[in-house]
Amino acid sequence: QITLKESGPTRVKSTQTLTLTCSFSGFSLNTREVGVGWIRQPPGKALEWLALIYWDGDERYSPALRSRLTITKDTSKNQVVLTMTNVDPVDTATYYCARREGYGDFGGFDYWGQGTLVTVSS
Amino acid sequence: SYELTQPLSLSLALRQTARITCGGNNIGSKTVFWYQQKPGQAPVLVIYRSTYRPSGIPQRFSGSNSGNTATLTIRGVQVGDEADYYCQVWDSSSAVFGTGTKVTVL
Repeated sequence: QITLKESGPTRVKSTQTLTLTCSFSGFSLNTREVGVGWIRQPPGKALEWLALIYWDGDERYSPALRSRLTITKDTSKNQVVLTMTNVDPVDTATYYCARREGYGDFGGFDYWGQGTLVTVSS
Repeated sequence: SYELTQPLSLSLALRQTARITCGGNNIGSKTVFWYQQKPGQAPVLVIYRSTYRPSGIPQRFSGSNSGNTATLTIRGVQVGDEADYYCQVWDSSSAVFGTGTKVTVL
């Protein structure tokens, strides 16, 4: 059974750095063509992809947020960590982590965490 | 950057057929994924590689993709299908989500 779960602060202040952890089970990030990504959703708005890290360490970022994001993995702990610097109230959102199996144009996000709501106060 | 456009909302009667469109420049050359998101829940993948259904997804759900429009079709829509639906593609190794469509069953 594949599960993912996000953890981190529920509230951060403007200009601070947000660190979120995705803990997963039921699959390995050592497996070829497997990746774990982060997607966020502001209240009442659409999904927005943030970042993705693959089994081989390849990192991909949203062009719009690249300068503020870092994604890392700890394969031994089955965790993926996302850091976002210099947060702003517009970063208030539910943050999801999700598994991707596939490379190139193949493979969507087939398993998702429950999401964690992060509120940024000014 | 690549953009995907969906209608904001779609209302239809029970057991009608819902056709949710996703517009993008030459999207027919890309592989499309569709997600269903019910209120307060995480998204669920309902179509992958444009036309395939994951196990557990009812046959009522189908996908097509051609030209500048991809379509998610739900035949015989049920109350339980009320949700937001998002399309997604990969563009230059970045995931791009559509604007989302809210489906209401009357």
